[in-house]
Amino acid sequence: KAGVTQTPRYLIKTRGQQVTLSCSPISGHRSVSWYQQTPGQGLQFLFEYFSETQRNKGNFPGRFSGRQFSNSRSEMNVSTLELGDSALYLCASSFTFPRLDTDTQYFGPGTRLTVL
Amino acid sequence: SQKIEQNSEALNIQEGKTATLTCNYTNYSPAYLQWYRQDPGRGPVFLLLIRENEKEKRKERLKVTFDTTLKQSLFHITASQPADSATYLCALALFSGGYNKLIFGAGTRLAVHP
Repeated sequence: KAGVTQTPRYLIKTRGQQVTLSCSPISGHRSVSWYQQTPGQGLQFLFEYFSETQRNKGNFPGRFSGRQFSNSRSEMNVSTLELGDSALYLCASSFTFPRLDTDTQYFGPGTRLTVL
Repeated sequence: SQKIEQNSEALNIQEGKTATLTCNYTNYSPAYLQWYRQDPGRGPVFLLLIRENEKEKRKERLKVTFDTTLKQSLFHITASQPADSATYLCALALFSGGYNKLIFGAGTRLAVHP
């Protein structure tokens, strides 16, 4: 079974631009979560989507948004990029609800975003 | 405030020894706890899950303990090898609104020296 894929793997943008990252979950997984990882803050939860609905959201500004499509693929968008947005953005899928006790996250390789 | 703490400094051990990593938390009541391994530039990989009513879980050379009274989990790698060198993350599953949300610790870097 193919793993979680993320595109692009690397991205360089300048301040003020916007960016869209894509994530394809493992086949059959309906939950997709997004995380931001930086050396200083570790793995920070952005949001989670399940069946095209945002089910949970972390403490990030409104510049960070996402969506999920009917095939469970997900995109996240960051508008008006700031230098501090430079990070590894990880997507994770899981087969969750109603099997609540097996909510293992399967991570993709991440997208390394650099904001200049 | 709610907090998850893992050893912030790298853990250096000799090959063949047992590595023990710590995950402490405050003000959480997790339904279960997971441990992940992350290599540089890669996404975390799931290793073990332990539920709140379980004291210990084993998988090959890995062992996890979970003490909900102490609010602590210990992660052991026995007979460690240089290939075990990586960052290890603990994650707490918090049950809220009908489903679980995972909260990750910052991770501990393990270096196993030949």
